[in-house]
Amino acid sequence: NAGVTQTPKFRVLKTGQSMTLLCAQDMNHEYMYWYRQDPGMGLRLIHYSVGEGTTAKGEVPDGYNVSRLKKQNFLLGLESAAPSQTSVYFCASSYRVGKEQFFGPGTRLTVL
Amino acid sequence: AQKVTQAQTEISVVEKEDVTLDCVYETRDTTYYLFWYKQPPSGELVFLIRRNSFDEQNEISGRYSWNFQKSTSSFNFTITASQVVDSAVYFCALSEADKASGYSTLTFGKGTMLLVSP
Repeated sequence: NAGVTQTPKFRVLKTGQSMTLLCAQDMNHEYMYWYRQDPGMGLRLIHYSVGEGTTAKGEVPDGYNVSRLKKQNFLLGLESAAPSQTSVYFCASSYRVGKEQFFGPGTRLTVL
Repeated sequence: AQKVTQAQTEISVVEKEDVTLDCVYETRDTTYYLFWYKQPPSGELVFLIRRNSFDEQNEISGRYSWNFQKSTSSFNFTITASQVVDSAVYFCALSEADKASGYSTLTFGKGTMLLVSP
């Protein structure tokens, strides 16, 4: 099992460009999450999904959109990237409420 | 107010010393879960332990031990006889129901960086 994978691992964007980060899990988990990690801030929840076709906002959702068309995939989109979105993005999944979350390796995004 | 407070930003110890990482949380829920994760210099997040609010028993796993005290809303993590490989950022996290959606989400503390020198 690959667990949770993220594509791409690194990306550099110019302000105003758009991109999509892909997260995939092969553990048949219902819950999936997108976090961003900034120095000294810990991990902050952007959006999450409790099942195929459902999404909800987390703590810092502005400037991001998500989609969960298939149970195993959770996409994070940036429509118009801003320098403030420079961060490391982590995807995670969990089996159910209260269970541990399994994290992907992260995507390092730089917006110039 | 922070829901999960890790007051120690950085701790430096010498190998073989014991070290305790503090975690204080805030919640009004009676059912919640607490976690510790490790983030080594390579960047991945590694799950260490999960504890539910009804189980206050301390847990020991090798050199790691955890002390959960509901009376003080704390879930502290102790590493005994620290090793260089323990150098990492350690995150404490709280899982409780999101008030808006009713679903459970995870709130992380800001992390404690542990540096273990030889």
